[in-house]
Amino acid sequence: DVKVTQSSRYLVKRTGEKVFLECVQDMDHENMFWYRQDPGLGLRLIYFSYDVKMKEKGDIPEGYSVSREKKERFSLILESASTNQTSMYLCASSTPTGELFFGEGSRLTVL
Amino acid sequence: RKEVEQDPGPFNVPEGATVAFNCTYSNSASQSFFWYRQDCRKEPKLLMSVYSSGNEDGRFTAQLNRASQYISLLIRDSKLSDSATYLCVVNRMDSSYKLIFGSGTRLLVRP
Repeated sequence: DVKVTQSSRYLVKRTGEKVFLECVQDMDHENMFWYRQDPGLGLRLIYFSYDVKMKEKGDIPEGYSVSREKKERFSLILESASTNQTSMYLCASSTPTGELFFGEGSRLTVL
Repeated sequence: RKEVEQDPGPFNVPEGATVAFNCTYSNSASQSFFWYRQDCRKEPKLLMSVYSSGNEDGRFTAQLNRASQYISLLIRDSKLSDSATYLCVVNRMDSSYKLIFGSGTRLLVRP
């Protein structure tokens, strides 16, 4: 079974803090993704990576950055958290044919 | 017009019923289509890929209609455990990596 593990299930941070969300997959997938999910807006792609050290912006990259130093690990960074970044963050990896496998999600609250 | 549109529901059906959902997509060049299932406060999980010729997996049947640009999901003999939100997913023309998620159709199966 594909396993995608996100480091934190629940986080509470203050405005302006730097936030790291870590994601690890164990299936040797090339592609990894970060989404956020908000009620009424569905899943929106923040960034994705198709290889180590390669990244591409998704639909809503503003306020976020990513790091992919190793194939199995894809990190999402909020340089200065803001209240509008309160959301559920979902990491995923995908097979070459596009099937996505998600982690359990990280629910971030920014106060 | 949204790139991927779904009826949000909820569809409220009795156990044993047959229920069908449609999902329309706007990009005629889309090549990859999927149905995901998401339980409340959980991550989405792949239910099935949708192939041009249609495909079946137990009680679930997926169809693709390229001419009318929609995909469908049919669930036969509904179980209580089928209660969930069903997400339609389509790839973007500009990148096979970029998948667009519909907002989901909520299904409630009652005893």
